[in-house]
Amino acid sequence: QKEVEQNSGPLSVPEGAIASLNCTYSDRGSQSFFWYRQYSGKSPELIMSIYSNGDKEDGRFTAQLNKASQYVSLLIRDSQPSDSATYLCAGLEGGFKTIFGAGTRLFVKA
Amino acid sequence: KAGVTQTPRYLIKTRGQQVTLSCSPISGHRSVSWYQQTPGQGLQFLFEYFSETQRNKGNFPGRFSGRQFSNSRSEMNVSTLELGDSALYLCATSQTTGDGYTFGSGTRLTVV
Repeated sequence: QKEVEQNSGPLSVPEGAIASLNCTYSDRGSQSFFWYRQYSGKSPELIMSIYSNGDKEDGRFTAQLNKASQYVSLLIRDSQPSDSATYLCAGLEGGFKTIFGAGTRLFVKA
Repeated sequence: KAGVTQTPRYLIKTRGQQVTLSCSPISGHRSVSWYQQTPGQGLQFLFEYFSETQRNKGNFPGRFSGRQFSNSRSEMNVSTLELGDSALYLCATSQTTGDGYTFGSGTRLTVV
């Protein structure tokens, strides 16, 4: 069973700081990776996808992928209390099946 | 545009009964995946459908089944319900495999 692993947290950062969320995956064949945000009582929402080694930036979010190390990360700059949520890392396995990590809970303190 | 629609939102069933959940994807989304979400296990993959074909199945017993119709709408069925089937069932759709998902609001199933 291929796995995606995340630190469950909680990760607590002050408002305005950079939040760094990390994820490792076991399937070397995975080519596509995603970060989802899930607020309490809501469904997951896609915030970033990344397919190539390196960084991908979108607003305050930067996703980083290192396929050699099988490592994916998400940086949130200028963290806001509204960023407090669970962040799910996911990888596409075998082309048809997206495997999710257990999620990291992020708290941004005002 | 309309989002992913899951019905019903809430269900309460007794052990041994069966249940059918429905998912209508965003127009143009042909890939439909189903997930079970519980506090202890997180998001667990059930199955994925594309053009009415099941292309992958997770590690769930045969009591869990699904299908997809020609209009891409999908249903999943759970027979002989057990207490442990209580969970949030999420439908996730995309235009093609490899795109990120759009999730529905989910169906909260409680088995008593």
